[in-house]
Amino acid sequence: LAKTTQPISMDSYEGQEVNITCSHNNIATNDYITWYQQFPSQGPRFIIQGYKTKVTNEVASLFIPADRKSSTLSLPRVSLSDTAVYYCLVGDGPVDTGRRALTFGSGTRLQVQP
Amino acid sequence: EAGVAQSPRYKIIEKRQSVAFWCNPISGHATLYWYQQILGQGPKLLIQFQNNGVVDDSQLPKDRFSAERLKGVDSTLKIQPAKLEDSAVYLCASTRRPGGMSGELFFGEGSRLTVL
Repeated sequence: LAKTTQPISMDSYEGQEVNITCSHNNIATNDYITWYQQFPSQGPRFIIQGYKTKVTNEVASLFIPADRKSSTLSLPRVSLSDTAVYYCLVGDGPVDTGRRALTFGSGTRLQVQP
Repeated sequence: EAGVAQSPRYKIIEKRQSVAFWCNPISGHATLYWYQQILGQGPKLLIQFQNNGVVDDSQLPKDRFSAERLKGVDSTLKIQPAKLEDSAVYLCASTRRPGGMSGELFFGEGSRLTVL
């Protein structure tokens, strides 16, 4: 079963770049890597998704090495509003069935200070 | 487009009582999930539907939890009888394609259950 490991918490200051690394040693060939953000009292919100190399959107970048056993979410110039829990997910389930539900780990609690 | 709708937002019951949560996914989304999130933990998958069929319910405590998705649209999650450890936020999510295969999950705001 694919399982992810992330740091429990991270601290940063406004304006800094934050990199959160996730390890997923048992990632399957068909799995995408997806990151979600969750604020208190809200459901998780999609941030970014990738399969390999680098993906960038308006809020973040995702770096995936060639072996895909880890990935790094990069948040440029964080602000106080980026304080949240960040989850790294990969597919989890029998590959041959094509039915792979996403499993959340415990996530990384990012605290941004002024 | 309208997001995933859930109700009620909050529910307080006593142990051994029953409760039901409702979810209306985004229009056209074939896959629907129910997650349980206990305070301080990540969401835990309870059940996954593809249209109106169950794909995965391996982590659903079937002695007390049940879920259905009639007509492949709305879904209801029921707990009967509730236990103290069922206190959690119940999140509904939907996607066009099965999760893990480049399918972005869209979550509702959740239903917070407190069991006294």
